[in-house]
Amino acid sequence: DTEVTQTPKHLVMGMTNKKSLKCEQHMGHRAMYWYKQKAKKPPELMFVYSYEKLSINESVPSRFSPECPNSSLLNLHLHALQPEDSALYLCASRDLTGYEQYFGPGTRLTVT
Amino acid sequence: GESVGLHLPTLSVQEGDNSIINCAYSNSASDYFIWYKQESGKGPQFIIDIRSNMDKRQGQRVTVLLNKTVKHLSLQIAATQPGDSAVYFCAENIGNSGYALNFGKGTSLLVTP
Repeated sequence: DTEVTQTPKHLVMGMTNKKSLKCEQHMGHRAMYWYKQKAKKPPELMFVYSYEKLSINESVPSRFSPECPNSSLLNLHLHALQPEDSALYLCASRDLTGYEQYFGPGTRLTVT
Repeated sequence: GESVGLHLPTLSVQEGDNSIINCAYSNSASDYFIWYKQESGKGPQFIIDIRSNMDKRQGQRVTVLLNKTVKHLSLQIAATQPGDSAVYFCAENIGNSGYALNFGKGTSLLVTP
């Protein structure tokens, strides 16, 4: 299984809502990533988990809260988002013996 | 992402022609480079990678060239097909960055019949 899956595919939420994005991989990768991608822009790194521990937080606002409950799952909890947070949220994973990151299809988030 | 950039934001080629997508980087500590293809509505898909101790690597219909002297990276696609139409991103791993990739701005490749 060389796939990274993400749910939901699409999410519309209001500014007062709480929602979560989920990411799963069964490749045994011990590094997992969250990226944010705006239209016609490259992915921007948000968080990196290594061995289920947060290793990089790229100064992301606290309304985004990542969680890595085990080596296969990565969540991104969302609360009190702003319309400018609307974007494609990408999850990726990596085998720590290499550099290549495998990306999921993303969750298209719209904040109203 | 400012240290990795692309010379051409859009590229239009005819089916069957060869395509060349260029990328410049500024950090000489970069030790690994990767090209991704992203189709509309999908996540980035790995195409080919190269380590800094190499200057060329070939895959199926794709070749990546690395010129460390001028800090330049290129992706060559042979016999471009309509299915190659997508946005192409180069990305670099900077040593000691915790294996976080720094993405370039992207080039949109349009293949016309």
